[in-house]
Amino acid sequence: DVKVTQSSRYLVKRTGEKVFLECVQDMDHENMFWYRQDPGLGLRLIYFSYDVKMKEKGDIPEGYSVSREKKERFSLILESASTNQTSMYLCASSRASPGAPYGYTFGSGTRLTVV
Amino acid sequence: GQSLEQPSEVTAVEGAIVQINCTYQTSGFYGLSWYQQHDGGAPTFLSYNALDGLEETGRFSSFLSRSDSYGYLLLQELQMKDSASYFCAVNFLDDYKLSFGAGTTVTVRA
Repeated sequence: DVKVTQSSRYLVKRTGEKVFLECVQDMDHENMFWYRQDPGLGLRLIYFSYDVKMKEKGDIPEGYSVSREKKERFSLILESASTNQTSMYLCASSRASPGAPYGYTFGSGTRLTVV
Repeated sequence: GQSLEQPSEVTAVEGAIVQINCTYQTSGFYGLSWYQQHDGGAPTFLSYNALDGLEETGRFSSFLSRSDSYGYLLLQELQMKDSASYFCAVNFLDDYKLSFGAGTTVTVRA
């Protein structure tokens, strides 16, 4: 069964800590994405990557960075965690192929609480 | 991001039919898709419309009308397990990222 795995289901971190969220996919997908999900706001794109060592900013990149050293792994980094980064973080991957249908495979999410 | 509007909540009884509309303020997108997310779970892909018209997958159907700037997800023969959040999303040609609506919470009552 194809899978996107996020390393932690729940995390509690202190304000100012550097936080790493890891995501691994086993589908040989080219594309990987990080979203945060907040009530009433849906899913908002933080960063994405279409290839190894490639990264692009999404809609809300401030306070975050990413790393993609290997095709299967995409890491989200909170350089200095703040309470407004308390959220559910979702990783997703997709294949880079033309035409329909097109869809993501999501991980189960990491619920991060910054205290 | 793109502006996609969905109702925030819908409640219906088992066996009923529910239509979740998704209206958008953007044009030129390549496709409209729908995702289901149960409480505490990962969003899962339901359907994708690249062309106008109806796509049917079992009890769920999705429709797109570019001329009317809207699409909808139709849930038929509702079951308790259909209680979940449903998101519409768009992607653009040669662009693999999705922009999501805020989601619709569907509650199915006995």
